[in-house]
Amino acid sequence: QVQLQESGPGLVKPSQTLSLTCTVSGASISSGGFYWSWIRQPPGKALEWIAYIFYTGTTYYNPSLRSRLSMSVDTSKNQFSLKMTSVTAADTAVYYCARGPPLDTSGPSGAFDVWGQGAMVTVSS
Amino acid sequence: DIQLTQSPSSVSASVGDSVTITCRASQNIIDYLAWYQQRPGRAPYLLISATSTLQSGVPSRFSGSGSGRAFTLTISGLQPEDFATYYCQQADSFPYTFGQGTKVEI
Repeated sequence: QVQLQESGPGLVKPSQTLSLTCTVSGASISSGGFYWSWIRQPPGKALEWIAYIFYTGTTYYNPSLRSRLSMSVDTSKNQFSLKMTSVTAADTAVYYCARGPPLDTSGPSGAFDVWGQGAMVTVSS
Repeated sequence: DIQLTQSPSSVSASVGDSVTITCRASQNIIDYLAWYQQRPGRAPYLLISATSTLQSGVPSRFSGSGSGRAFTLTISGLQPEDFATYYCQQADSFPYTFGQGTKVEI
């Protein structure tokens, strides 16, 4: 079955860059049926969708974070990645990669049907 | 951004009870609403998409309904494994947003 696994440093210093990679197994990112997203959850708080990428490299970022974000995809490794610059304590959260939304006739539309286990990232000096 | 408000924030129930969670959107999202279950320390798990489409493997005691701005998730006959936090998510427009969660407690 489809599995996603996040990887990256668990501790990042304030003002530095957070970098995470999601490795997909059991499905090919290049199949084109889905977009691939990052979602985060601060401790004890609700979920926040961060961004998505398509295998072609098309991206869309949450406007609230857009100026600090970049996503990339490596289809040869079946991975996609997130970089967030100028982090602060407010960026401390569990970061999930997820499959979704699905590609609809009019573009991305729908839910996130497969999630990674999550990577806890703490921003602290 | 579309705001989603869930009620109640928490509910206490017993095994066998039925529970209904409401999710209200700040604007019309037609039927572009999903529901997730999250157990402590685990990733969210998709239960229902497009308001009422039960995902494969999800027990039939879970059901969703609604349209426009008001939606509900009903769990009929709570089982011990159902005690968790539930989130709604709108898929009408980006940025996608989630509700603040409803904790179903024993």
